[in-house]
Amino acid sequence: QQPVQSPQAVILREGEDAVINCSSSKALYSVHWYRQKHGEAPIFLMILLKGGEQKGHDKISASFNEKKQQSSLYLTASQLSYSGTYFCGTEIGTSGTYKYIFGTGTRLKVLA
Amino acid sequence: EPEVTQTPSHQVTQMGQEVILRCVPISNHLYFYWYRQILGQKVEFLVSFYNNEISEKSEIFDDQFSVERPDGSNFTLKIRSTKLEDSAMYFCASSEAPPGRGHAGANVLTFGAGSRLTVL
Repeated sequence: QQPVQSPQAVILREGEDAVINCSSSKALYSVHWYRQKHGEAPIFLMILLKGGEQKGHDKISASFNEKKQQSSLYLTASQLSYSGTYFCGTEIGTSGTYKYIFGTGTRLKVLA
Repeated sequence: EPEVTQTPSHQVTQMGQEVILRCVPISNHLYFYWYRQILGQKVEFLVSFYNNEISEKSEIFDDQFSVERPDGSNFTLKIRSTKLEDSAMYFCASSEAPPGRGHAGANVLTFGAGSRLTVL
């Protein structure tokens, strides 16, 4: 039921790009992306509401393929501050009640 | 920037003891949540709460757990008779709108800083 993220972990040099994928076996109504620094709370990055939607700010962007039940997060020209664990989040439910669950997580480490 | 406040930040308890974790959600938010994260692992949904009752709960949220909104501001998670495997970081979150289609982003969760529970 939980969305599966890939890769599980990635190490980059500053300035390199990365893609994090989030796949669900169930229909995705929306996808949220969060970043969590070690020992801290997850912080909201962005939400994608419609299939085909793409969003971005700064050098972090995301796409949402509702048909394929997938979303991808793109980190361009990575900075040291991008290090952390990235989670996709999605709403699942039936009959008008939903719960909000997170993907398996991707650990990203950016090296100088 | 409004924030979700959690206390205590760290609690150490003996196995079998009861623990209460407290949260003050953002004041205009109506939906409240507890999540658990065992060290280095995924963020797991425990329970959601609205209008003074549980909306959804996971299989983790068994009879050992309970939630309450004792007054207009606090939202608490009680763990009765703690077990070693309850050791984790517990995050409270709140949102203006519930999960589900059509809320156009008003259901974004704001998390508290977490309460680390260590059961010995």
